[in-house]
Amino acid sequence: EVQLVESGGGLVQPGGSLRLSCVASGFTFDDYAMHWVRQAPGKGLEWVAGISWNSGSAGYAASVKGRFSISGDIAKNSLYLQMNSLRPEDTALYYCVKDEGGAYSYGNPFDYWGQGTLVTVSS
Amino acid sequence: SYELAQPLSVSVALGQTASITCGGDKLGSKHVHWYQQRPGQAPVLVIYRDTNRPSGIPERFSGSNSGNTATLTIARAQAGDEADYFCQVWDTRSASWVFGGGTKLAVL
Repeated sequence: EVQLVESGGGLVQPGGSLRLSCVASGFTFDDYAMHWVRQAPGKGLEWVAGISWNSGSAGYAASVKGRFSISGDIAKNSLYLQMNSLRPEDTALYYCVKDEGGAYSYGNPFDYWGQGTLVTVSS
Repeated sequence: SYELAQPLSVSVALGQTASITCGGDKLGSKHVHWYQQRPGQAPVLVIYRDTNRPSGIPERFSGSNSGNTATLTIARAQAGDEADYFCQVWDTRSASWVFGGGTKLAVL
């Protein structure tokens, strides 16, 4: 059974930093691309970042490029999202998501989602 | 950047057929995926690559995509189908994933 468990969310002041983690199980972690998707309270879904392990390539939404960094530790079956220069508009539930395929940019569907970790940016 | 337009809400009578649309420029040339999100839960993939159902998704769920519009169709709607539905595509030009704004389905 595929499981994705996020952690690391919390309350942070504007301009601060936070690192989200996601531990995966139930599949061969480095065979599949991974993503972070967020959802602001009462709003829709927004793709944040994706990563392909084989190529080492990563992509970001324009709204977070230059501030967020996606990475992972294959040995620990873990995905991370380093978030810097946080803004109030980054407040959201952040989901760790598994791609159906090995590349984040091949248009494959997102077949498994974690339950999310809440990030609140406020003074 | 590429945009996907969905109606804010759709209502359907119990047992009838609901259609949720997703509009975008030349959308028929892209692969569309659909997600269901029940209140307080994470999204679940219900249709991928326009017309395909993942295992475990009822046959009542189907999809189509042509021209500028993709459609998610839910036949014989049940109370448990009440949820938000989101369409999604990969936009090659911006090298990013795009979601529609979501449609709230009410089963009356």
